[in-house]
Amino acid sequence: KAGVTQTPRYLIKTRGQQVTLSCSPISGHRSVSWYQQTPGQGLQFLFEYFSETQRNKGNFPGRFSGRQFSNSRSEMNVSTLELGDSALYLCASSLVDKNTDTQYFGPGTRLTVL
Amino acid sequence: AQSVTQPDIHITVSEGASLELRCNYSYGATPYLFWYVQSPGQGLQLLLKYFSGDTLVQGIKGFEAEFKRSQSSFNLRKPSVHWSDAAEYFCAVGPQGGSEKLVFGKGTKLTVNP
Repeated sequence: KAGVTQTPRYLIKTRGQQVTLSCSPISGHRSVSWYQQTPGQGLQFLFEYFSETQRNKGNFPGRFSGRQFSNSRSEMNVSTLELGDSALYLCASSLVDKNTDTQYFGPGTRLTVL
Repeated sequence: AQSVTQPDIHITVSEGASLELRCNYSYGATPYLFWYVQSPGQGLQLLLKYFSGDTLVQGIKGFEAEFKRSQSSFNLRKPSVHWSDAAEYFCAVGPQGGSEKLVFGKGTKLTVNP
């Protein structure tokens, strides 16, 4: 079974632009979570989607948004990019949205904002 | 709010030596606890998890961890380290309810000397 895939793997943008990242979960998984990883703040939870609905949200500004499609694929969008948005964005999928479910992580998208 | 502390930012061990990575958590009830490993340029891979029951849990790659409620700790151990274990290790706590998914520690980078 294929793992979690994220596209693109690397992205370079300039301040003020917007960006869309994509995540395809493991087949059959219905929950997708997004995390931001930076050297200073570490790994921080962004949001979780289950059955096309945002179930949980971390403490990030409204510039960060996401959605999930009927096939469970998810996208996250960051508008009006800031230098501090440079990070590795990780997507994780699980079967359902229970906290006991193991989350399987993708390789991440490395976003650099210049 | 729950939190996770990994006191050691960087640990260096010799190949074949034993390893213990420390993790302390702050949480009101019994949390769900996880250890993940991240190799350079990769996503996170689950090593092991604790939900309930036996406080000593076995994971993949020869790792184990022990949950100690009295010390609010969930330390990761391996009796004999291999060069391929060099990576960054993250301890995480998953709430039994609430608005967030996994809360991660800042990570411990492991270097293995030949």
